[in-house]
Amino acid sequence: KAGVTQTPRYLIKTRGQQVTLSCSPISGHRSVSWYQQTPGQGLQFLFEYFSETQRNKGNFPGRFSGRQFSNSRSEMNVSTLELGDSALYLCASSRDRYTDTQYFGPGTRLTVL
Amino acid sequence: LAKTTQPISMDSYEGQEVNITCSHNNIATNDYITWYQQFPSQGPRFIIQGYKTKVTNEVASLFIPADRKSSTLSLPRVSLSDTAVYYCLVEYSSNTGKLIFGQGTTLQVKP
Repeated sequence: KAGVTQTPRYLIKTRGQQVTLSCSPISGHRSVSWYQQTPGQGLQFLFEYFSETQRNKGNFPGRFSGRQFSNSRSEMNVSTLELGDSALYLCASSRDRYTDTQYFGPGTRLTVL
Repeated sequence: LAKTTQPISMDSYEGQEVNITCSHNNIATNDYITWYQQFPSQGPRFIIQGYKTKVTNEVASLFIPADRKSSTLSLPRVSLSDTAVYYCLVEYSSNTGKLIFGQGTTLQVKP
């Protein structure tokens, strides 16, 4: 069965712009979680959506937002990009984050110039 | 302020049991702890998660003592292929309502 897909895989933006990243979960999975990974900060949890509702969140400013659609696909948006937003953005899906194995996508590499 | 802390690195030998501890503020009884494994240039891989005192699956065990101020990932009989970075993710529903990663523990397994 198809894995978690993320688009685009690579993205270059400039400061002040906004960006939208997409995550398509494994079929049947209703939970999608987003993570940011940087060399300096390591892995950080952004938020989790389950059945179109945000269920958990990490320690990020309001510039970071997300949503989940009725088909469980999820998007995350970052507005007013800063240099420090350059990172690998990962999403993971599961039937339910609390009870099932999470499967990660390959990530989107965002570079902010 | 919620904070999740792990040792930066650990060394072990093949065949040994490895225990990696994650320290955190005392968390609520239903707050989950999740562990991930990550190899260089790869995305994280889910290992185990739970909120009860002990959870076991085919690759690891997770122990959470009664005071819930720490938790331990136990890897039985490690092999060279277990050399990786291990992250714990802690839920703080009654504190900040957020999930916070530890900084990761680099486990080096030696022959």
